[in-house]
Order: sequence, then C-alpha cells, then structure tokens
Amino acid sequence: GAGVSQSPRYKVAKRGQDVALRCDPISGHVSLFWYQQALGQGPEFLTYFQNEAQLDKSGLPSDRFFAERPEGSVSTLKIQRTQQEDSAVYLCASSPRQKSPLHFGNGTRLTVT
Amino acid sequence: KQEVTQIPAALSVPEGENLVLNCSFTDSAIYNLQWFRQDPGKGLTSLLLIQSSQREQTSGRLNASLDKSSGRSTLYIAASQPGDSATYLCAVLVAGNNRKLIWGLGTSLGVNP
Repeated sequence: GAGVSQSPRYKVAKRGQDVALRCDPISGHVSLFWYQQALGQGPEFLTYFQNEAQLDKSGLPSDRFFAERPEGSVSTLKIQRTQQEDSAVYLCASSPRQKSPLHFGNGTRLTVT
Repeated sequence: KQEVTQIPAALSVPEGENLVLNCSFTDSAIYNLQWFRQDPGKGLTSLLLIQSSQREQTSGRLNASLDKSSGRSTLYIAASQPGDSATYLCAVLVAGNNRKLIWGLGTSLGVNP
C-alpha cells in the first residue's frame, strides 16, 4: 500500500473490555514498531518485530498487552481488560530495514470509559 | 539511560522568519537521529534522518545538524510558512541490541500569517 494503515481510527471501550488494534505496514517492510502516545507526550516504545519475530517487547506496560505479527506483515496489538490509563493514541510504524526512517500510520485513538 | 530534551516547548513566529528548534540527548551512543512532524490528530511524518556518522541533512527549506559528541541536534526551518505549523519531535535510535527510538516531548510551532 501507499502507507502504513491502522484500524480502527477511533475506539471507545468500556473498562474491562478487550480491544484489538490492527496495523498494515508498507508492503515489504521488515521492521514494525508499536508506540503508545499519551496526550501532550512523545511516543513511548511498546514492542518491535523483525518479520514475524518479536525481538523486543520491553515496553509493553503489563501482561494485559500482547502483540503479534504471525506472517511477518499485518500486526495486531491486543489489550485485555482495558483500564482508563490505557487511553492513548497507539501508533504503528514500519521501515524497510534496521536504522531506516520510520513510516508511521495515523494511529488508533483508544478511549477507555 | 538515554533522555531526549527539546527546547523550546512552544514557539510562535510571524510568517517568513527563519527559526531553529533544539534537541539534546544525554548518551552519545546512538545509531541515528530523526526529526518528525506531527499534525493534530495525525501520525508522525519523518522529515530528516541523520546517521551517527553524518553532520547534517537537508531537505528543501529544512536543515538538520547533528553534533553527537555534545549530544545536540538542531532543526533549521528557512522562510517559515503557516503550513509549517505543527509539533516537531526529535528521536534517537539507541545503539546496541535495543532498537527502540527515544523521543523528546516536541516543540509546538505556530507560524502566523
């Protein structure tokens, strides 16, 4: 595709619900990142994939957060039993190789009520 | 621990002015530094990437410099336009096996017509 696509664009969840956020990276991009951006803050790293391998998940804030990229293209970030502090914009980025410029999607704005 | 600071936090200038945004980082062990632009409600757009071995990069009216030894980067915007109004973030890619970007909080720029 022309760019990184994320869906849904907006998600409202009641506290305790599970949510799944989707990222379609640019075709052929090896590296895929998930970031969490709270209002007025810079993005915070969550996890990194190289193809289908999750090489770094040190930024996931709790075991309620889970990410996968089973075929090395589309990735899903799942948040179980959502809490209000999970409210943020979740950004996905991809790059063709390590240390290349990142291409970001427009993000999914999650609001937990 | 790598920390990235951006000064100023906000800046308002009249159209046509040249301006400089500053970014500093505490650990010089980086692979590269990127400048991004973020418009309200949108994702991040990569503007310039400077590899650790480079001193500067230019794209159109934008020029970014990197002084790795002193932990500083500047983004110079020439002949600013109202369309340049956005938040500008810098991020460093830390060296080592950890591939995550460390972000500043950004500079919110307003260019007044």
